Order: sequence, then C-alpha cells, then structure tokens
Amino acid sequence: ILNVEQSPQSLHVQEGDSTNFTCSFPSSNFYALHWYRWETAKSPEALFVMTLNGDEKKKGRISATLNTKEGYSYLYIKGSQPEDSATYLCAFLNNNNDMRFGAGTRLTVKP
Amino acid sequence: ETGVTQTPRHLVMGMTNKKSLKCEQHLGHNAMYWYKQSAKKPLELMFVYNFKEQTENNSVPSRFSPECPNSSHLFLHLHTLQPEDSALYLCASSQDVWVSDGEAFFGQGTRLTVV
Repeated sequence: ILNVEQSPQSLHVQEGDSTNFTCSFPSSNFYALHWYRWETAKSPEALFVMTLNGDEKKKGRISATLNTKEGYSYLYIKGSQPEDSATYLCAFLNNNNDMRFGAGTRLTVKP
Repeated sequence: ETGVTQTPRHLVMGMTNKKSLKCEQHLGHNAMYWYKQSAKKPLELMFVYNFKEQTENNSVPSRFSPECPNSSHLFLHLHTLQPEDSALYLCASSQDVWVSDGEAFFGQGTRLTVV
C-alpha cells in the first residue's frame, strides 16, 4: 500500500510569515514527486516536479526539497501573502506507474 | 486557465439517471486521466488513457465507464450511481503517461451530487 502523508492538515499564518510543510512517501521504488497548488474554485496547478534525491527547486517565494532515501519532501513559502492561501498537494509516483496523492495541507494566510 | 476544460461544472443526478462528464484539452497531450475527490479524502486516480488506449483502471466500479475517442477528448459515462459517488471529478492531461518530469494539467472539475 502506498502511503502518502502530508502534514500539517491545515495551517494558519500571518501575512509575512514564512512557513513550511511536509510530504512523506515510501522510500522504495521512487520515481518522481509532484507538488501542486489548488486554490478554491480553481484547478490544481503544478508547482514542482522533483526526481532526484537532494533536488531543490524554487519558484519565486516558494521552494521545495527532496529526500528520496528517507522519503520526504518539504515545501517552503517565504514571506507568505494572502494570495498563497490554497491547498498544497503532493503526489508520489513509483517505478510501477502507481501514483498517489496526499490529502493536502490547507494554508490560510491572514492579512 | 490550464487548457483543460470540463463540462458540466455541476451536475445533480438521480440514481437511475445516465449522464456523461466531458473533458477536453488542446495542449497536444497524449495522456488523459480521471480523478475522484470525495470529501476529506485524497485525490484518487480512476482511469488513465495514453494515446486513446486505457492503460489503467484502478478497480473502479462498472457504473463508471470511460471513453476516449481521441487524444483531446475524454468522457466519463455514469449510470445507476449511488449517493456515495457524490464527489468532485477532475480530469487531467500530461504530455505522456508518467514521464518523470511531466506535470499534469487539471481541469476545474465537475461537482457531482447523486440524489
């Protein structure tokens, strides 16, 4: 069974705070890890696709790291803004073409 | 706008009805997917199509019947659904199936309520 866990389930921060959350996944048969941002009433939107252990990717104020040996990825948001409020999903893909999404971390940034 | 369009956005149907969900993409992608999101559950992959051929069916009940007439269109035909099938149904596409650096582009989903 592929278990993809995201924590915390929800998070409330003040505008300007930096924050981070975690995606845990099986450390065997790793193929790729995807991060998506899903704003209410919109489509999930890809943030990062990560494939190599030690990968670090950055897009503006958002960055992500990947540790495939221990099975986790962190997503960081620097200086959170209200428009960052969304659910952040990670999706794990293994070598057997099996893809599983986590339940997401719901971020609310208060002005 | 992701380039993936789903219709209808909302659907209410009775348990004896037959309806279809439609997904369309003009991104030139070869792979298309149906996902289901039930309340407080992660996204669940239902079906995968690659070059119009179904490559994956994740033990989905036969009351859900997918159809992919070409690489740009994907349908999900629904019949004799149960109230517990009420959920958000999302369509996605990607350049190819599960290429390691291939992100998926999602539609906005169809919110289905079965009464």
